[in-house]
Order: sequence, then C-alpha cells, then structure tokens
Amino acid sequence: GDSVTQMEGPVTLSEEAFLTINCTYTATGYPSLFWYVQYPGEGLQLLLKATKADDKGSNKGFEATYRKETTSFHLEKGSVQVSDSAVYFCALSLNQAGTALIFGKGTTLSVSS
Amino acid sequence: EAGVAQSPRYKIIEKRQSVAFWCNPISGHATLYWYQQILGQGPKLLIQFQNNGVVDDSQLPKDRFSAERLKGVDSTLKIQPAKLEDSAVYLCASSLDVGNTIYFGEGSWLTVV
Repeated sequence: GDSVTQMEGPVTLSEEAFLTINCTYTATGYPSLFWYVQYPGEGLQLLLKATKADDKGSNKGFEATYRKETTSFHLEKGSVQVSDSAVYFCALSLNQAGTALIFGKGTTLSVSS
Repeated sequence: EAGVAQSPRYKIIEKRQSVAFWCNPISGHATLYWYQQILGQGPKLLIQFQNNGVVDDSQLPKDRFSAERLKGVDSTLKIQPAKLEDSAVYLCASSLDVGNTIYFGEGSWLTVV
C-alpha cells in the first residue's frame, strides 16, 4: 500500500548546523509530497510542498526536492536555529477525490545553542 | 482568518466511558478530516467528510467510534466505550476542497485510564 518512511529520530544538532531529514515514499500514481511541522503544544503546520517531479518546495529556509527516480523528498536546511526544534512529518497525497494525507512517523529535531 | 477550532483540548476518562470531541473548520471549507495521532506515530486518518457526506471511513473502528457532520460545517467525533489504546491526540483538519492545502487544529488530547 501507499506509505511514507522517515528517518528515525531524535536528531540532535547544534545551532547553525546543517540539517537533513530523509523521507522516502511508496505510492501508486503520482502523489503530491509535503512536510508538516509540529512545534511543542501546537497543531500541525504545513511547512512546504511539491506537487510534481523535480519541483522544489521551500519555506523559512527549509527546502525539499521531489525526486521521482529515488522516490524521495528529503528535508534540508543550511543553518538550523533553536526555534526549529519540533517534530517534522513527511506526508503524501494521491491527488484523487476521496484520498487524504498519509503521514510518516515523524522525526524529532532538537537544536541546542 | 480563524483557524480550525477543537474542543476540549484535554480529556481524561476511564476505560469503557464515552467521550466526544468537537471541531469547527475554517469557514467555507468543504472537506473535513479527523485524524488519530498515537504518541510516537504519525497521524492516521479516521474519517473524511465532503460537506456533510462521508468520503472515507475505512479506518474508523465503527464498533466504538462514530462521527457526524450534520450541516456540513461543525463535526463531532465520539468514542463509546473507550479503550486504553484509544489514548491519543485527535486532530481535526479542513481544506477548501479535495486537493487543496489541509489545515490542522491544535488537537484534542485523550487519556484513557
């Protein structure tokens, strides 16, 4: 079935370090791909998205490129901040009527100063 | 613009008791979702509504869970009787229509003891 696999966490980094969180997917058809972020005590927020192969989503210094050949959508940021500490979820949508988001298990990022 | 509103934020009940959660989606959003997020896992879709009709409830444990969206706006999710494994965050989300960006509420945290 359709699924999303994320790297296991937690990921612990120092401020200004480079971040990569790996995400791969399995899907029938051509999904849209998303990264959602959940800050402590808050709801899920859309961070970025890409709707077709080779698209790059970007927001708040985060980037992810839709790679159809490797079925991946890795999240990257060049210099993380303490305020980036959160749980990050990779998700896909099959873009068909009646289908909703399918999420990975989430990766916890902890950034220290 | 107001976001997705959920209540109550926190609920503790004993097993075999019942509980109900309420959701008010963003104004004008036709599609409404209920997700269950167990600690350490990604959100899992329970039910999806399009206006007041059910689009997908294939993962809803119908022997104990029920949901309705009678007038195509607010929605309630009920659990009766609750089990220990129902302890989770129940997330409501909405989108303008299928295929549009999905916005999440802050969630209702349920603990079953």
